[in-house]
Amino acid sequence: DSGVTQTPKHLITATGQRVTLRCSPRSGDLSVYWYQQSLDQGLQFLIQYYNGEERAKGNILERFSAQQFPDLHSELNLSSLELGDSALYFCASSVSQGGSPLHFGNGTRLTVT
Amino acid sequence: SQQGEEDPQALSIQEGENATMNCSYKTSINNLQWYRQNSGRGLVHLILIRSNEREKHSGRLRVTLDTSKKSSSLLITASRAADTASYFCATDRDSNYQLIWGAGTKLIIKP
Repeated sequence: DSGVTQTPKHLITATGQRVTLRCSPRSGDLSVYWYQQSLDQGLQFLIQYYNGEERAKGNILERFSAQQFPDLHSELNLSSLELGDSALYFCASSVSQGGSPLHFGNGTRLTVT
Repeated sequence: SQQGEEDPQALSIQEGENATMNCSYKTSINNLQWYRQNSGRGLVHLILIRSNEREKHSGRLRVTLDTSKKSSSLLITASRAADTASYFCATDRDSNYQLIWGAGTKLIIKP
């Protein structure tokens, strides 16, 4: 058990809709990362927060947004969903801003129909 | 672009044999990490090796790093069916320590 909790585990929604994915990092970790994994794109880094502040941005679409709250949990908001957004979304946490191991949750599987 | 590239893309061996996977990268790095992913599950951190280290061990895992060749290898000795998974390397190469991931090696251990 990594200590990282993601909810929900599965999400099925229609095109055009908006969803929110939630992540609770491992106790003591200040960084939260969001990744998207699909069959044809591999593991894609979306965004990182450190202690409530955005630290790094990857290939995150403008339709997607995230935030980290004072209690360090994070939410990833996906809007105007398209079929191509169907993927596994992982949250990971680490103790520092970088250079330390990442601890991954078991992901949210999003299916857009 | 991918900083880390694993080789081979897929590997199938008999239980009990050793499995070796390689990772190459393009620019100088701070650290290199190896992760395992069982099908549909989250990635699990295996080993972190720093740029000034050449070899690290953890149980049946041995990781080497050759910075002159910009490559790393992960050796799993005495493989077990439970080692069936995808293995990813990730490098961080600048002061931001942002991880760059490879596409992974899919390892299948046949009983």
